[in-house]
Amino acid sequence: AQKITQTQPGMFVQEKEAVTLDCTYDTSDPSYGLFWYKQPSSGEMIFLIYQGSYDQQNATEGRYSLNFQKARKSANLVISASQLGDSAMYFCAMREGGTYGGSQGNLIFGKGTKLSVKP
Amino acid sequence: GAVVSQHPSRVICKSGTSVKIECRSLDFQATTMFWYRQFPKQSLMLMATSNEGSKATYEQGVEKDKFLINHASLTLSTLTVASAHPEDSSFYICSAPDPFNYGYTFGSGTRLTVV
Repeated sequence: AQKITQTQPGMFVQEKEAVTLDCTYDTSDPSYGLFWYKQPSSGEMIFLIYQGSYDQQNATEGRYSLNFQKARKSANLVISASQLGDSAMYFCAMREGGTYGGSQGNLIFGKGTKLSVKP
Repeated sequence: GAVVSQHPSRVICKSGTSVKIECRSLDFQATTMFWYRQFPKQSLMLMATSNEGSKATYEQGVEKDKFLINHASLTLSTLTVASAHPEDSSFYICSAPDPFNYGYTFGSGTRLTVV
């Protein structure tokens, strides 16, 4: 079973509108972290937002917010006021386990969603 | 935040030659480095985890004799693709836990083309 599922291979959004990118996850570990990354055509991985499994509030970072629904195991990314520069691949990722003693496990990535912003 | 420098960014090599990719942590000591491979229009797949001073842990299906990982110091991890073939052409990217937060820092990636 996939641990991270992104069901939207591609999405279009009009400039200045909001868009939601879906992500569901599967884990039995009570401690985990959820991440969203943007990957432009250059290939670099740009961190957008993080949500810890014990965080009570949804994470927000500027135009990015994470709609965390723990019971549904979903962590959707909302981008408000889309810009042309937002066109890129977006990956949802999960780290299972905590960060005790400074150690962290690897990230598990979804298949990604290609977002295209139309002028 | 933490910075990982990855080189080269792009390499084209002939089939049968070996290619070394370096990832250096510039402002922190990276005890762990994750190596991912990304085929075109696909996701990042973990190849192996390297820990300073010990043998790398490879994911199932990854040939350890072909993808040689060395993590001899706290600031340098290398991936050598031995006797590369066209099917090894891919985007390789390293990542380390960011000690300044609970996230990760990524190298800029290496696009390998084997002709």
